[in-house]
Amino acid sequence: GDSVTQTEGPVTVSESESLIINCTYSATSIAYPNLFWYVRYPGEGLQLLLKVITAGQKGSSRGFEATYNKETTSFHLQKASVQESDSAVYYCALGDREGNTGKLIFGLGTTLQVQP
Amino acid sequence: GPKVLQIPSHQIIDMGQMVTLNCDPVSNHLYFYWYKQILGQQMEFLVNFYNGKVMEKSKLFKDQFSVERPDGSYFTLKIQPTALEDSAVYFCASSLKGLEQYFGPGTRLTVL
Repeated sequence: GDSVTQTEGPVTVSESESLIINCTYSATSIAYPNLFWYVRYPGEGLQLLLKVITAGQKGSSRGFEATYNKETTSFHLQKASVQESDSAVYYCALGDREGNTGKLIFGLGTTLQVQP
Repeated sequence: GPKVLQIPSHQIIDMGQMVTLNCDPVSNHLYFYWYKQILGQQMEFLVNFYNGKVMEKSKLFKDQFSVERPDGSYFTLKIQPTALEDSAVYFCASSLKGLEQYFGPGTRLTVL
């Protein structure tokens, strides 16, 4: 079936260090998967961080980036230098293309703790 | 950015009773979704709704569940009757074109 697996948290890094949160997906029933990273900051709702709908492309937002790799079925989230304000829960998600059902399949979420 | 609101934030109910969870989606959005997250587990898709109809529902969307959006008002999820395993956080989402979804803060449902 369709599924998403991501780095098990919590992940703890120090401010200004680099970050990578791994995400791999399986899309057996989705012909053209779209990939997303969502984030939930403390006390807030889930919000879209970045999306990529074409294999081989890279998405970026707020210093984060992720590349849609169809060969390795991966969509790892990276940031060169994290800040304390990046502390949050990050969710990798797999979706169907626009105009289809649009349902999202989420990973378990990875809690990121950035230490000052 | 656009906001999705959910009412109430927390609902406690006795098993067997009916509950309605309300979602106020982004005003011009056309696609609506409900997701369910049990503590410690993944957020899972329940159902999506477009043009007044359910487009797809998962196996979690039991016969006791129903959704509607009467006259463009709240998008609601009704559970009748509730069961213990319905205890979870329910997230509503809306989307303009079925691609980028905006999520509400969730309603925590506790069934006793």
